Order: sequence, then structure tokens, then C-alpha cells
Amino acid sequence: GAVVSQHPSRVICKSGTSVKIECRSLDFQATTMFWYRQFPKQSLMLMATSNEGSKATYEQGVEKDKFLINHASLTLSTLTVTSAHPEDSSFYICSATGTGGSGYGYTFGSGTRLTVV
Amino acid sequence: GENVEQHPSTLSVQEGDSAVIKCTYSDSASNYFPWYKQELGKRPQLIIDIRSNVGEKKDQRIAVTLNKTAKHFSLHITETQPEDSAVYFCAASTSQAGTALIFGKGTTLSVSS
Repeated sequence: GAVVSQHPSRVICKSGTSVKIECRSLDFQATTMFWYRQFPKQSLMLMATSNEGSKATYEQGVEKDKFLINHASLTLSTLTVTSAHPEDSSFYICSATGTGGSGYGYTFGSGTRLTVV
Repeated sequence: GENVEQHPSTLSVQEGDSAVIKCTYSDSASNYFPWYKQELGKRPQLIIDIRSNVGEKKDQRIAVTLNKTAKHFSLHITETQPEDSAVYFCAASTSQAGTALIFGKGTTLSVSS
């Protein structure tokens, strides 16, 4: 089946630094990548949608200058949390749709637990 | 945009009982309705899904029903087992390329033996 590899699984960073999260589609072409954030005991909240080669579309209330999304190829999308603060601590997870092995469907990465200290 | 409401937020049942979780959606264009099971710190795991051209779908102990007119869909788990304990999310989307899943707030199911 379709696989999205997400790294790192856990990261601890100091306040004010930046963190990059990568999602790679291993056996299909991820034409669209969705980025979600999940706070403890809450649901997955859509942050942004990115199509390969295009600028990401951000949901209302999500700062595009703080959460930089790059989707430069059909197999790689990255989310960079810039100038991270403790309130950015959360579980970040990507989800991809595309063509190739998966057909229609949403394939999730394994998530990244970000802790900002 | 789409808004998905999910109830109840918590559900406790005895092993062997049935569990029902209900969701409503707002966008009449939505036509794909998956259900996910999520364990702490893990990715959501698709357990069953239904498309709008079908009213019911069953997979062993799990079934999903869809009422497009009322814009609601439900997850039914029969003969619950302790390993069914987890957080369950419903979601909705349209079939248009590049459309995200919008999730409900989740239901924490506890099955006691």
C-alpha cells in the first residue's frame, strides 16, 4: 500500500529556533500534501494544503510566515516551524493524496511530536 | 467550508456491547466519509469508509451508515472488545482533487471487560 515516511518522529527544540519536518511518499506521487496539527486530546486541525510546485494554501488563523511549507517535488513536502515557541508544541502530521500506487485515498505520515522548551 | 460535528465525545461500554458514534456534516458537496481509529501518539488508522452512492457498508464487526438527506453518518461497532478502546474520528471530504479531510472532534471509546 501507499506509504508516507515522516521525520523526525520526535524533536525538542529551544524557543526561537526553527524546526523542519519532512514527509516523503515512498511508492506514489504525492500531488497534494495536507498538514495537520493535533494538540493533546483534540482533533486533527488542517493547517494548510500544498500542491506540488505551487504555493501552499493556509487555513484561517494559521500564520504562513511562521509555518513554511515547501512541496517542490512529487515525493517530498516539508513543514518548517520558524521561531518556534512553547505554544507551537504539538503533534504535526502530514497526509498525502496522489497518483501511482495508492489510487484515491489519504495516506498519513506517522507524525512528529514537537516540543519547544 | 466543511464542518463536521461528532458525538459523543466519550463512550464507555461493556465488552460485548455495541457502540455507536454519530457525525453530521455541513457541506452537501461532501461525498467521502472515512472513520479513523487513533492510538496515542500514532497516525490515524482508516477502519472503514463510505462514499455517497452507498447507504451502508459493513466489515465484520464494523459498519457505517450514511444518510445524505440528513447529512449524517454513523459508525457501529458490534461485540466490542477491550482492544477497540481508542479515539475514533469521523471525517468528510469531496472527491475533488486536492480537497482535505475535515475531522470531527473525536470520540474516546472505552471498552471494559
